[in-house]
Amino acid sequence: DAGVTQSPTHLIKTRGQQVTLRCSPKSGHDTVSWYQQALGQGPQFIFQYYEEEERQRGNFPDRFSGHQFPNYSSELNVNALLLGDSALYLCASSLAWALGYEQYFGPGTRLTVT
Amino acid sequence: DAKTTQPPSMDCAEGRAANLPCNHSTISGNEYVYWYRQIHSQGPQYIIHGLKNNETNEMASLIITEDRKSSTLILPHATLRDTAVYYCIVRVILGSWGKLQFGAGTQVVVTP
Repeated sequence: DAGVTQSPTHLIKTRGQQVTLRCSPKSGHDTVSWYQQALGQGPQFIFQYYEEEERQRGNFPDRFSGHQFPNYSSELNVNALLLGDSALYLCASSLAWALGYEQYFGPGTRLTVT
Repeated sequence: DAKTTQPPSMDCAEGRAANLPCNHSTISGNEYVYWYRQIHSQGPQYIIHGLKNNETNEMASLIITEDRKSSTLILPHATLRDTAVYYCIVRVILGSWGKLQFGAGTQVVVTP
């Protein structure tokens, strides 16, 4: 059983560009969350999707947007990239998160903005 | 969600038990204590969670004080592969589209 997968593993973009990161949840999971982890810090919550709707959002600007597809996979889009967006982007999936099941994390996508 | 306080780092000898403390003095009655760990350059890994009773699984044990203001994660026989950053998180479960609010965590280094 495959766990959470993310693509690509590494990405280099130029300031001002747009980027799309992808996540496939663990089999059977219906909820996807995205986190940003800057170097040397803990992950910071971006947003969470369930039934193709954004359910909760962290303190991130509108440049960060997402989508969940009917097969539960998800995308994270970041527009007008800034140097400060350089980070490890983590996707986590869970089953019926509101009932307290643990979140399973993917290996992350390392985004570098130059 | 309540805040947590953890020591920034600790060392542990291989084969010995590692006891990781966490303070959550403002925890509410409906908040659970979660532990995750993150090995360098990997995604965080769930370890264990609990409400008020002690919990044990194949990875670790979680001891929560009676007043629930602090807890201890116990790795019974630490190995070199347990070297990681360990995060203690408290959060509401029911009725919450919950985010995990990570702090700085505790960097645990297991030495031979």
